[in-house]
This record gives sequence, C-alpha cells and structure tokens, in this order.
Amino acid sequence: KAGVTQTPRYLIKTRGQQVTLSCSPISGHRSVSWYQQTPGQGLQFLFEYFSETQRNKGNFPGRFSGRQFSNSRSEMNVSTLELGDSALYLCASSLRGSTNEKLFFGSGTQLSVL
Amino acid sequence: QKEVEQDPGPLSVPEGAIVSLNCTYSNSAFQYFMWYRQYSRKGPELLMYTYSSGNKEDGRFTAQVDKSSKYISLFIRDSQPSDSATYLCAMASGGGTSYGKLTFGQGTILTVHP
Repeated sequence: KAGVTQTPRYLIKTRGQQVTLSCSPISGHRSVSWYQQTPGQGLQFLFEYFSETQRNKGNFPGRFSGRQFSNSRSEMNVSTLELGDSALYLCASSLRGSTNEKLFFGSGTQLSVL
Repeated sequence: QKEVEQDPGPLSVPEGAIVSLNCTYSNSAFQYFMWYRQYSRKGPELLMYTYSSGNKEDGRFTAQVDKSSKYISLFIRDSQPSDSATYLCAMASGGGTSYGKLTFGQGTILTVHP
C-alpha cells in the first residue's frame, strides 16, 4: 500500500509570493491533516479536512488555507509569503480523522522563503 | 507554558544502551499518547500508540503512560545506530473538536554511536 505522498519535495519562493502544496493520502483514508514544522516551534497543527470539509483549524493566520477534493487529495495554499513561513510542511492521513485513529505522515514539502 | 514539554537533548549513547525518553503534559483531556520517530528529511513515523495509563511493549520499545502524573516515557532496549533519529511524543484528546489534531513535544535528538 502506498504511503502519504507530498509534492513537491522542495520549494523556493520569495516574500510576497503564494505557494500551493499537494498531498495524496493513503488509499481509503478520507481525513487529511496539515502540520507546519520549524526548529523553533516544532510541529504545529494547521487544519484537517474530511469529505471536502474543514472540520478543525489551528492558530494560524488566514493566509494559510486548504481544500480537499472528492478523491480525498488535498492542497494547502499560503498567500503573501513571509520569511517566517519557511518550514517543513507535513501532510498526514487517517481513515476518518478521529483522535483514536493512527495518523500517518508524508515526507513533507520543505519550503524556503527568501 | 507549552501543553507538552519534552527535553530536546541531544542525547548520545553507546550501542546496546537502554534509552529513556520522556514527556510531561498539562492538559488533562489528553487520552491518546504516541511516540513518533523522525529521520532527517523524512516525515514522522509512528512507533507506539497507547490509550490511557499503562505499559505497552513492541519488540525493543516500551511505552509507559502515567496519567496521574501527566508523564509518558519511551524506553528503547539494546539501542542500535539505526535508532539515531529525533523522537517526538504526541498526544490527542477525544471528541469532535480534535479531528486530526495531535499536540507534539519539541522532539529529542538521539544519537547511538557504535
């Protein structure tokens, strides 16, 4: 069974630009969560999608948004990039997103903002 | 104060040593406790998953949860150089408001030298 796939693996952008990251969950998983990982703040929850609906959201500004498609694939968008947005963005999937389920992570997209 | 505290280390041990990794937490709503291992440039990989208090063993790994003290541990027996990685504790509460959301510790960097 293929794992969680994230593309691209690396991205370099400049301040003020916007970026879109993609995530394909494990086959059969309908919940997709996004996390930001930085050396200073560690892993922080961004949001969760299930059946094309955002059900949960972390404490990030509105510049961070996402969506989920009918095939459960998800995209995350960051607009008006800031230097502090440089991070590893991780996508995770589970069957239904319940907290008693195991969460499986992709390898992430490393975003550098110059 | 962070909800989950984890000593970032780094921790360096000789091959064959017993490793003890710990996290404390302040949110009494946490019911599900996990340990993830993360290699450089990879996403976190689930190692251990426990519900409520008690011990769980899987091969060389033992996870302990003490809810009364708000303290969790991971023990690695007969440590190997391949165990060198960052170890992250993670926790989740129950209920619908927690869809897809894990709260992580900062991670402990472990090096096992031959």
